[in-house]
Amino acid sequence: SAVISQKPSRDICQRGTSLTIQCQVDSQVTMMFWYRQQPGQSLTLIATANQGSEATYESGFVIDKFPISRPNLTFSTLTVSNMSPEDSSIYLCSVGQTRYGYTFGSGTRLTVV
Amino acid sequence: TQLLEQSPQFLSIQEGENLTVYCNSSSVFSSLQWYRQEPGEGPVLLVTVVTGGEVKKLKRLTFQFGDARKDSSLHITAAQPGDTGLYLCAVPIGSNFGNEKLTFGTGTRLTIIP
Repeated sequence: SAVISQKPSRDICQRGTSLTIQCQVDSQVTMMFWYRQQPGQSLTLIATANQGSEATYESGFVIDKFPISRPNLTFSTLTVSNMSPEDSSIYLCSVGQTRYGYTFGSGTRLTVV
Repeated sequence: TQLLEQSPQFLSIQEGENLTVYCNSSSVFSSLQWYRQEPGEGPVLLVTVVTGGEVKKLKRLTFQFGDARKDSSLHITAAQPGDTGLYLCAVPIGSNFGNEKLTFGTGTRLTIIP
């Protein structure tokens, strides 16, 4: 299965600022997925990123708040923009296929103060 | 309303005891996956079940897919502290066959007390 390197692992940010999270995969993949995990909660899909096209966002998530880049088949970034304390969560990227299961990065723990 | 409801939400038991975690829905799924997540890590796939009534075993963990493919259970025998973690069921959703997005259950946080 693929190996994902996600960084930063954690950050503390001031409200109103932005943070960009990076995910590097050790193999080429068609789709990458970005999730949010609020404190004590399960995972919620933010968007799906295909190389060469705009990301597809889930209900409740918008591109202005969570812009995503997918410049090639091994890399993607998620930016959390104009942050507020409500954005404090763990953000995770994922790759995979239904048949083989999905692999996740170790997550970025974001605290907004 | 959550697509996948897990119960219990929290479970704390003594080492050596047995336990069962449930994942329920009113929808029918082509497959269902179980993941375990430990603090500071992403979820790790435990098993995928595909056929209604299917039972899979992974050491002390037994997974079952309901006959109607609407629900699943995870049974742990003789729980150990290393079983502590967040257990998540998940189903693939979408029309991009083979590359569907995952929808996760509400999660069960399991603590095994030594």
